[in-house]
Amino acid sequence: DAKTTQPTSMDCAEGRAANLPCNHSTISGNEYVYWYRQIHSQGPQYIIHGLKNNETNEMASLIITEDRKSSTLILPHATLRDTAVYYCIVLNAGNNRKLIWGLGTSLAVNP
Amino acid sequence: GAGVSQSPRYKVTKRGQDVALRCDPISGHVSLYWYRQALGQGPEFLTYFNYEAQQDKSGLPNDRFSAERPEGSISTLTIQRTEQRDSAMYRCASSFGRAADTQYFGPGTRLTVL
Repeated sequence: DAKTTQPTSMDCAEGRAANLPCNHSTISGNEYVYWYRQIHSQGPQYIIHGLKNNETNEMASLIITEDRKSSTLILPHATLRDTAVYYCIVLNAGNNRKLIWGLGTSLAVNP
Repeated sequence: GAGVSQSPRYKVTKRGQDVALRCDPISGHVSLYWYRQALGQGPEFLTYFNYEAQQDKSGLPNDRFSAERPEGSISTLTIQRTEQRDSAMYRCASSFGRAADTQYFGPGTRLTVL
């Protein structure tokens, strides 16, 4: 499974867009990019995933570069409740479905 | 509908005792996953099941750890002869079992071995 690289921490002002980058330069053709977040010690929460097209749902947007070597998670209007650790994970679409987690990005949304 | 549930939410045990952690997946979910999470770290894969079949147990740290899902629904993770290093949050997730589908996590069981 491809590895991912994320900044350790980021800050964002409340109401602004939070743009969280992720590098996955060794991603292969059948690997998806998944984003989860974890608030305090709660269970990880699914946010969004994509293969090569940009994706949007009620929580966020996912922008994947054309070469698929990096992606950006966008929270369009960050709130204090979005303060969490955000994990970018590359998942093979085959039978091996275990998620390999890194250290993620600790996002602090400030008032 | 109901999400993934885990019990107990907290377990304190003495070194050397056996513990059993239970996971009840989302109804209809074929796949079930166990992860372990140390403080300040991302979850670490332990094992997963499709229906009752254990598909991958490569993450189980040693033979004191075992898991079963006999009827393809509820799963139990058992740790025998617990050690202090086993203290962690144990998380369960489930999914529909399709390729690259989303895993939904439960609240976890916090295990403390004294």
